[in-house]
Amino acid sequence: NAGVTQTPKFRILKIGQSMTLQCTQDMNHNYMYWYRQDPGMGLKLIYYSVGAGITDKGEVPNGYNVSRSTTEDFPLRLELAAPSQTSVYFCASSYGLAGANYNEQFFGPGTRLTVL
Amino acid sequence: GNSVTQMEGPVTLSEEAFLTINCTYTATGYPSLFWYVQYPGEGLQLLLKATKADDKGSNKGFEATYRKETTSFHLEKGSVQVSDSAVYFCALSDDKIIFGKGTRLHILP
Repeated sequence: NAGVTQTPKFRILKIGQSMTLQCTQDMNHNYMYWYRQDPGMGLKLIYYSVGAGITDKGEVPNGYNVSRSTTEDFPLRLELAAPSQTSVYFCASSYGLAGANYNEQFFGPGTRLTVL
Repeated sequence: GNSVTQMEGPVTLSEEAFLTINCTYTATGYPSLFWYVQYPGEGLQLLLKATKADDKGSNKGFEATYRKETTSFHLEKGSVQVSDSAVYFCALSDDKIIFGKGTRLHILP
């Protein structure tokens, strides 16, 4: 049982490049989330999904896109990388909506992205 | 709107010292409260939680009590270890989870 896995662990992009951050969970969780963590700041929600085929914007969605074709996978796409997107990205999942009925979120190890 | 405020770090303590990390919240409803911990190079892990007023969450020697009258959920541990060095996040949930900015804790041997 691997939990939540993310790839890659590190990546350096040039301005204007695109990439996809991969996230997979093996806990059969309906809910999945993407956060970014900037230095000295808390986590900010980018996008979330309540199930396959359903996604919704979080607090900071601009510059990102997501898809959820299966229960297990929730990739995050950066189309035109900008220096402001330099951050650590965390994927998380939960059985029910995080927060409601005390549902715990399970986090992946993170992807450290630098845009130069 | 809802918000979480926790003490700024870094907090540096010697091994076996008493730890308090303050957390206060603002919420319109009756949220659940959480402490998450992030060890170096890892994602966040749930440390403890409390779901209603006066509940005490506890795990690995850490405790926090849900105080509605002071809107607080301070994290405490009686005797910290070097292995407790990490970043600690206070969070609340109502219809969504809101995280504080995190407090970095350094424990010196």
